[in-house]
Amino acid sequence: EPEVTQTPSHQVTQMGQEVILRCVPISNHLYFYWYRQILGQKVEFLVSFYNNEISEKSEIFDDQFSVERPDGSNFTLKIRSTKLEDSAMYFCASSDRGGIYEQYFGPGTRLTVT
Amino acid sequence: AQSVTQPDIHITVSEGASLELRCNYSYGATPYLFWYVQSPGQGLQLLLKYFSGDTLVQGIKGFEAEFKRSQSSFNLRKPSVHWSDAAEYFCAVPYNNRKLIWGLGTSLAVNP
Repeated sequence: EPEVTQTPSHQVTQMGQEVILRCVPISNHLYFYWYRQILGQKVEFLVSFYNNEISEKSEIFDDQFSVERPDGSNFTLKIRSTKLEDSAMYFCASSDRGGIYEQYFGPGTRLTVT
Repeated sequence: AQSVTQPDIHITVSEGASLELRCNYSYGATPYLFWYVQSPGQGLQLLLKYFSGDTLVQGIKGFEAEFKRSQSSFNLRKPSVHWSDAAEYFCAVPYNNRKLIWGLGTSLAVNP
């Protein structure tokens, strides 16, 4: 069964450093998402992406964040200058249709900012 | 604005016992509703979804959920819990057809 993969599974970085979280969505999917979950808090939507552009972003997704689909398979989330409060589990998801149909999630990347 | 409440942060049941996890939503119209499960070290897996029609929805792993408009609820049930069901369970509703709004989650522990 096809699945969404994410690398790395755990990333530790120092405050102020740039990180890139990588996702490989399911191959025929066209809609891509990033969510995050700070420990003990709700899963929060960050951004959705379709046709090589952001279709929606949350207030969390400020200028420090960017997303890219650099080739036909990867979907990345970059945080330019990490803050302590960026420590969270980051989930990538993809779907084959727009609107709210099933989103398939990856296993997540745990980002720890020290 | 849409919101999702899962009143139970943590539930412990004995293996073989029945289970009900509560989910309440706030939404103007008839919502789409989802239950996801996150096993340790795993991603978020869709258990079941409600879009329309029959209010009792069957999902994977023997789970079902019932949409009750009058109570704004979409509770998840399983008649007999297995040890492998120990996981985090999340209820979610869509917003603007482009993103999911999540509950805080319910952590399920299963005693042998």
